[in-house]
Amino acid sequence: VRLVQSGAEVKKPGSSVRVSCEAARDIFSTYSFNWVRQAPGQGLEWMGKISPSTEESHYAQRFQGRITITADKSTGTALMELVRLTSQDTAVYYCARGARGPVTLFDSWGPGTPVTVSS
Amino acid sequence: EIVLTQSPGTLSLSPGERATLSCRASQPISSRHLAWYRQKPGQAPRLLIYGASTRATGTPDRITGNGSGTDFTLTISRLEPEDFAVYYCQQYDTSPETFGQGTRLDI
Repeated sequence: VRLVQSGAEVKKPGSSVRVSCEAARDIFSTYSFNWVRQAPGQGLEWMGKISPSTEESHYAQRFQGRITITADKSTGTALMELVRLTSQDTAVYYCARGARGPVTLFDSWGPGTPVTVSS
Repeated sequence: EIVLTQSPGTLSLSPGERATLSCRASQPISSRHLAWYRQKPGQAPRLLIYGASTRATGTPDRITGNGSGTDFTLTISRLEPEDFAVYYCQQYDTSPETFGQGTRLDI
């Protein structure tokens, strides 16, 4: 399964970023699409998910209020928006496919989108 | 949330040797909902093991997962050059999904 992510971004503190993830339309509604980020030299952190079939999204508590994940079934694209960026948000953002249940493993990953937040 | 602690932080071995990586959970993980991933530099993680012991497609049989409750291990027998990478465990038993901090396997 191929997940295609949008390109690298450079943002100013206080701004917002949108990162997209495109999957094959015929399987898009069968799975959840998750966002996992990795700060430079650090580990993996789950941020949130969306199930396109129900359009339900769930977010990690630490991102509540700053993150929105949406899905467009017509294009097979999931979109993650993170607002009020700080330098701590500098990371590679991965889209990862998972099951539709409340918790999931991640069986397919996009290549990652580097986001740099700097003044 | 469930905290996963991996040990050791770094493991230095040679090709042909055996590696044993540990992942300990802060509370029991039911139904063995524990996965392992390998990440090479500059690449996305790749699923190796799920259900604590089931190999994902393409995972060679020299890679074995085991464990239950709070203690899980990943064993790689006969290390090959491609095995030198960072390994993460992840629990998918209780929301939010969480990862261990990783074990680096160095030559």
